[in-house]
Amino acid sequence: DQQVKQNSPSLSVQEGRISILNCDYTNSMFDYFLWYKKYPAEGPTFLISISSIKDKNEDGRFTVFLNKSAKHLSLHIVPSQPGDSAVYFCAANFGNEKLTFGTGTRLTIIP
Amino acid sequence: DAGITQSPRHKVTETGTPVTLRCHQTENHRYMYWYRQDPGHGLRLIHYSYGVKDTDKGEVSDGYSVSRSKTEDFLLTLESATSSQTSVYFCAISDGLDIPQYFGPGTRLTVT
Repeated sequence: DQQVKQNSPSLSVQEGRISILNCDYTNSMFDYFLWYKKYPAEGPTFLISISSIKDKNEDGRFTVFLNKSAKHLSLHIVPSQPGDSAVYFCAANFGNEKLTFGTGTRLTIIP
Repeated sequence: DAGITQSPRHKVTETGTPVTLRCHQTENHRYMYWYRQDPGHGLRLIHYSYGVKDTDKGEVSDGYSVSRSKTEDFLLTLESATSSQTSVYFCAISDGLDIPQYFGPGTRLTVT
């Protein structure tokens, strides 16, 4: 049973526009959420995180939104740049040492 | 970037042979993890360690064993490799709860 779901396997966005990546979760005990970015032939790199006590966290062009009632997480990238083309994974945990990952969304930025 | 290395980076082996992958960290982090990445499955936890000689299973641990005799090294062993274990393997480290894990560069393993 997939507890963290990324229902869009791929997304294409024009350079300069906003990219919105979505993630849904089923376990209401999750209280810490993260986004990772992965380029081909490299390991995932941490991008941004949010605790369940917040509903928004920003870091430069990246903003993560958390809607606990809908069990929904989103990552906004504004403006999108060609270097943002990668696979993005959302992940979650509930106060222990393990993360549960989604299946990933491949983002392509069109110049 | 966190100091994490994995070796080998690529390996091709035959069905039935034993294989050991190594993860080495220079950060002195308490927790170490082994994941596999497969198309359509994302990253799935194989085993993890919460200290020297302290390990536990993840969601896809069958066919794998691990050992951690030093803080800096975490070994993943496939006792008898099968074609279903063809995958990309990532090691990760962290130093506590509710903080990010940091990943190594990965090992691409092909079992023929």
